[in-house]
Parts: sequence; C-alpha cells; structure tokens
Amino acid sequence: EVQLLESGGGLVQPGGSLRLSCAASGFTFSRYAMSWVRQAPGKGLEWVSSISGDGVSTYYADSVKGRFPISRDNSKNTLYLQMNSLRDEDTAVYYCAKIPYFYASGNNNWFDPWGQGTLVTVSS
Amino acid sequence: SYELTQPPSLSVSPGQTASITCSGDNLGDKYVCWYQQKPGQSPVLVIYQDTKRPSGIPERFSGSNSGNTATLTISGTQAMDEADYYCQAWDSSTAVFGGGTKLTVL
Repeated sequence: EVQLLESGGGLVQPGGSLRLSCAASGFTFSRYAMSWVRQAPGKGLEWVSSISGDGVSTYYADSVKGRFPISRDNSKNTLYLQMNSLRDEDTAVYYCAKIPYFYASGNNNWFDPWGQGTLVTVSS
Repeated sequence: SYELTQPPSLSVSPGQTASITCSGDNLGDKYVCWYQQKPGQSPVLVIYQDTKRPSGIPERFSGSNSGNTATLTISGTQAMDEADYYCQAWDSSTAVFGGGTKLTVL
C-alpha cells in the first residue's frame, strides 16, 4: 500500500523558514515524480511544486518561485520542501502527492494518492 | 495564467444525478481529473484522464471533457458523496485547480 507521511509543519514568523518532509513507502520512490499542493484554511487547492523521479527537473507556482525549493532524497524515500521568506499568505495545509509517471511535466499527470497533510501557520 | 472555473455549490436530492462543471479555454484539448475532498480529509482522485476511474471508485462517478467544459457526473447520488469536488488540468507544466464545488445531498 502506498503511504505518504508529511511532517515539519508548525508556527513560524513572517520572513522565517521551515522545511517540510514527506516520507514515502509502498512503491519504488525513485521511479515517480512527486508534488506539493497546499490548501489555505477554508480555501481551495493550490499546486505548489513538482519534481521528477530523479530530482533533475523541478517546477514551481509563481507564488513560491525563488522561495520554496523542492528536492528529494531517493536513498531515504523522502520528498522535501524548503520554505523560505515565509509570508502570511503561505499559511496552509501542505500535502505531498504522488504523480503516476517519472516525469513531472506531462499534461496527462494526476495526483494519487495524497498524504494526510501538515499545517504551516505563518504569524507574528 | 490559465484558469478553471467551477460553480461554488450544487445541491442534489439522494438518488438524483449531480453534474459538476469545470470551464476553461479549450479545456477539451487538455486532460482533466477530479478530486473529492470530505471535511477534515485529504483529497481523493475520482476521475483521471477525463473519463477514467481509479480502482475503488464507484461506477456512479463518470467524467467527460469537450470544448471548453469538463463535467463530473455522479449518477444515483448518495449521502456519502457530499463533499467538495475539484477539477484539475495542466498548462505549461503548471498544475491548475478549479476553485471547487461544494456538493450538498439533501
């Protein structure tokens, strides 16, 4: 069974940093692209970033580009999101999700499954 | 940037058919998928590549996509189908979500 377990969320002040992790199990992690998707309280889903199976290709939403580098450690079956220069509007539940292919850029990709999410609160 | 538009809410009686639309420029040229999210839970994929159902998703869920509109159809809607539904597509290696539709079964 595929399982994704996020961790690293918490309360951080504006301008601060946080690193999220997503531990994967139940599949050959290095063969699949992965993504982060967030959901602000009471709001809809917003794609944040995706990364290819080998970590070479990365993609970002304009809202986080230059602030939230995505990475992965295939030896540890773990996906990361380094969150820098955090803003109030970054407050959200952050989900990691598996993409069914190696490449993250395909227009026929989808997200399945999703982790349980980790809450990031940016507030002074 | 590319946008997907969904109606904010939809109400349906048990046993009736619910049709949730998702609109975008030339959306029919893209693949669309749909996610169901119940309160306090993570999203679950219910339709991918316009029309395909993942294993474990009931047959009452179906999808279509043509022109500028994709539609998620739930036939014989049940109380357990009450949830938020989001459409999603890709545009230039960027994933785009619709704003979500709250489906109420009453």
